[in-house]
Amino acid sequence: AQSVTQLDSQVPVFEEAPVELRCNYSSSVSVYLFWYVQYPNQGLQLLLKYLSGSTLVKGINGFEAEFNKSQTSFHLRKPSVHISDTAEYFCAVSDLEGAQKLVFGQGTRLTINP
Amino acid sequence: DAMVIQNPRYQVTQFGKPVTLSCSQTLNHNVMYWYQQKSSQAPKLLFHYYDKDFNNEADTPDNFQSRRPNTSFCFLDIRSPGLGDAAMYLCATSRGTGLSYEQYFGPGTRLTVT
Repeated sequence: AQSVTQLDSQVPVFEEAPVELRCNYSSSVSVYLFWYVQYPNQGLQLLLKYLSGSTLVKGINGFEAEFNKSQTSFHLRKPSVHISDTAEYFCAVSDLEGAQKLVFGQGTRLTINP
Repeated sequence: DAMVIQNPRYQVTQFGKPVTLSCSQTLNHNVMYWYQQKSSQAPKLLFHYYDKDFNNEADTPDNFQSRRPNTSFCFLDIRSPGLGDAAMYLCATSRGTGLSYEQYFGPGTRLTVT
């Protein structure tokens, strides 16, 4: 079974500052890794995903994440945040076969202050 | 645009009164998922359909059932809603195979139980 730990439940940052949202996972098998964003009262939108290949993955809205197999981490970063990035961010893993069910972390609420 | 649609966006039901939530997709995806997301928590998978095959999560209460009459539609039935079933219900779809794997989420239905 897989599990995901997001180390920070809330992250406040100032506008135009860099941000890192941390994610660690546990799995006995190879997994796919994802970051989703959820704006208030909306569904989840995929930011980026790691399936294979380069460990540095670039996504939408200027976000990127780096897969580190030895540390079982998949931290999300953005060099300069905007007010519009205020949202809940979820890290998730899935196995590689079958219906590829997602297991989510508890989420990190990113708040951007002017 | 191809998408995942959920109706209604907001649903109010009475304690014990059966309720049905609807999800439709224009993506022609094989897999449809239902997640429950309680306030300030991560989405939790209830069940999924891989084509016509229904797959229930081990800890999904019997009170929750699902139907998939065709590829495009999937329904979530709550037979006797309790106050603890108040949550956002998210529908998602995926192809289910291949390296382009991704789950596409609908906007969710927020269920209130009075």
